[in-house]
Amino acid sequence: GESVGLHLPTLSVQEGDNSIINCAYSNSASDYFIWYKQESGKGPQFIIDIRSNMDKRQGQRVTVLLNKTVKHLSLQIAATQPGDSAVYFCAAPGNSGYSTLTFGKGTMLLVSP
Amino acid sequence: EADIYQTPRYLVIGTGKKITLECSQTMGHDKMYWYQQDPGMELHLIHYSYGVNSTEKGDLSSESTVSRIRTEHFPLTLESARPSHTSQYLCASSLTGTGVGEQYFGPGTRLTVT
Repeated sequence: GESVGLHLPTLSVQEGDNSIINCAYSNSASDYFIWYKQESGKGPQFIIDIRSNMDKRQGQRVTVLLNKTVKHLSLQIAATQPGDSAVYFCAAPGNSGYSTLTFGKGTMLLVSP
Repeated sequence: EADIYQTPRYLVIGTGKKITLECSQTMGHDKMYWYQQDPGMELHLIHYSYGVNSTEKGDLSSESTVSRIRTEHFPLTLESARPSHTSQYLCASSLTGTGVGEQYFGPGTRLTVT
């Protein structure tokens, strides 16, 4: 099965800076990855996903980079805002294939004004 | 904003009580999930369902049970609560064909067993 993990439990940035949150995965056969954002007191919210036939995918102020060689992906947030403060999780299909997800440990992003 | 609801939001109960955590979604999603999450930690899948009358155990062993009699409703039951069940329980749903990654989560139920 897959295991995913984040490199840093907490990341503190200044408002306006770019943020980079990293994640490593174990199964080289994994071909789909997802990033979720969880604000305090709420359930996780889908941000962006990427398939292994891509190295990069961009959304609104967010970019996900996938390096299959070292089994690493990252979430980049441009011009970080206080509203970006949350816990960020990477996830991949779980032991039941594409029916379920395995989540990594989160990184808490703290944005100070 | 996702149309998935969980009640109660907070629950404090004594050991040995039977409880049911409610989850409902109005999006017509066929797949539903229950996760357990300790504060600041990753989500662990405890149950999921492909559709009506389908229930599967997840990756994390759990003493809870679920049922799926209606598409929109996926309750989770603990027959005899214990302090080790203290955690946050998150319900989610997704639509087949849109990708397993696009799960919509409810706000969660924070359970404390004394």
